Amino acid sequence: ETGVTQTPRHLVMGMTNKKSLKCEQHLGHNAMYWYKQSAKKPLELMFVYNFKEQTENNSVPSRFSPECPNSSHLFLHLHTLQPEDSALYLCASSQEGGLFNSPLHFGNGTRLTVT
Amino acid sequence: DAKTTQPPSMDCAEGRAANLPCNHSTISGNEYVYWYRQIHSQGPQYIIHGLKNNETNEMASLIITEDRKSSTLILPHATLRDTAVYYCIVPNNAGNMLTFGGGTRLMVKP
Repeated sequence: ETGVTQTPRHLVMGMTNKKSLKCEQHLGHNAMYWYKQSAKKPLELMFVYNFKEQTENNSVPSRFSPECPNSSHLFLHLHTLQPEDSALYLCASSQEGGLFNSPLHFGNGTRLTVT
Repeated sequence: DAKTTQPPSMDCAEGRAANLPCNHSTISGNEYVYWYRQIHSQGPQYIIHGLKNNETNEMASLIITEDRKSSTLILPHATLRDTAVYYCIVPNNAGNMLTFGGGTRLMVKP
């Protein structure tokens, strides 16, 4: 039990599908993050939400659409993805975003395959 | 933003200390050094972080040089379950960890 739960663990989708990834944290944190880990690149930050407000978009294509309805839940809506978007998508949380002294706590990710 | 450099891989005998180095020569005065590890098929796990003093917790010790240009993560008695990729990261000036880099793949051998 990591305190950060991601569903589903595995997802296969076609390029014309629309799907959503879900993340829930049970740690009482105020910041949540989406990271992408693909075979060809290191783990990279996608989005940051701090107190439900988006504070970072790391040049992510618009086919990825995040949503943070409250500090405990984070979604990543996917539409018209490309095969190169296949990757492990990781959610993380921290006490508060923008603090240098605030470790990240990660979920175990959703393994996404785009066919 | 400070960049970090780590050796791509290291081996360690089970029961011995594992010392994982990291260079961060461009680190600035208020930037922390964080260490995470990632075991296959799992999300990264936070290990320890520090600013300028040495730190110790139940998982590891972190030794930061006086000039703060490098640090060493020490696993005092490595076990087979410590086999993982270890990442040394310095957050950017907005406090975010943009990328985890390549890390060091530690193989603990019996």
